[in-house]
Amino acid sequence: NAGVTQTPKFQVLKTGQSMTLQCAQDMNHEYMSWYRQDPGMGLRLIHYSVGAGITDQGEVPNGYNVSRSTTEDFPLRLLSAAPSQTSVYFCASSYMGRGGYGYTFGSGTRLTVV
Amino acid sequence: AQSVTQLGSHVSVSEGALVLLRCNYSSSVPPYLFWYVQYPNQGLQLLLKYTTGATLVKGINGFEAEFKKSETSFHLTKPSAHMSDAAEYFCAVSGFNAGNMLTFGGGTRLMVKP
Repeated sequence: NAGVTQTPKFQVLKTGQSMTLQCAQDMNHEYMSWYRQDPGMGLRLIHYSVGAGITDQGEVPNGYNVSRSTTEDFPLRLLSAAPSQTSVYFCASSYMGRGGYGYTFGSGTRLTVV
Repeated sequence: AQSVTQLGSHVSVSEGALVLLRCNYSSSVPPYLFWYVQYPNQGLQLLLKYTTGATLVKGINGFEAEFKKSETSFHLTKPSAHMSDAAEYFCAVSGFNAGNMLTFGGGTRLMVKP
């Protein structure tokens, strides 16, 4: 059981380039989300999805796009990379169970924009 | 907007001493509460969570946290610090938004001195 898989683990982009961070989960969780982690700011929600075909913006959505065509996949697209998007990105999947909400995080993607 | 505040971005304790990491949240209704740990260059690992029921929650690695509704707090404690506890700790809450995504505090880096 792989859980939440993020690729790539590391990436260096030039300003203006575009790329897609991949996220896949094999737990059949209904909800998925993307966070970015910056020093002193914890993790901030970028976009999230409550089911296939349904996405919404989080706290810091500018410069990012998402789509959710299947339950398993939730890619994050950087349209035109900027140095301010240098960060560590985490994908998570979640569900509502008897013990409340459970969240599973991927291992992260470290992105540097030069 | 709901928020999570972790008092002290850096906490230093001696090995064997009490660990106390503070977390306060702003909410008019009790949320779900979580503590996560992140070791260097790794992802997030769940330490413990509070959903309903007993307000003292025990987690992994000897950590526990107490939900105090009157103080809107969820402080994390461990009676005796170990060198292996050195990491960054994040308090998070959910239950505020569609999809119940997590809102994180800014994090506290715990340093353990020999």
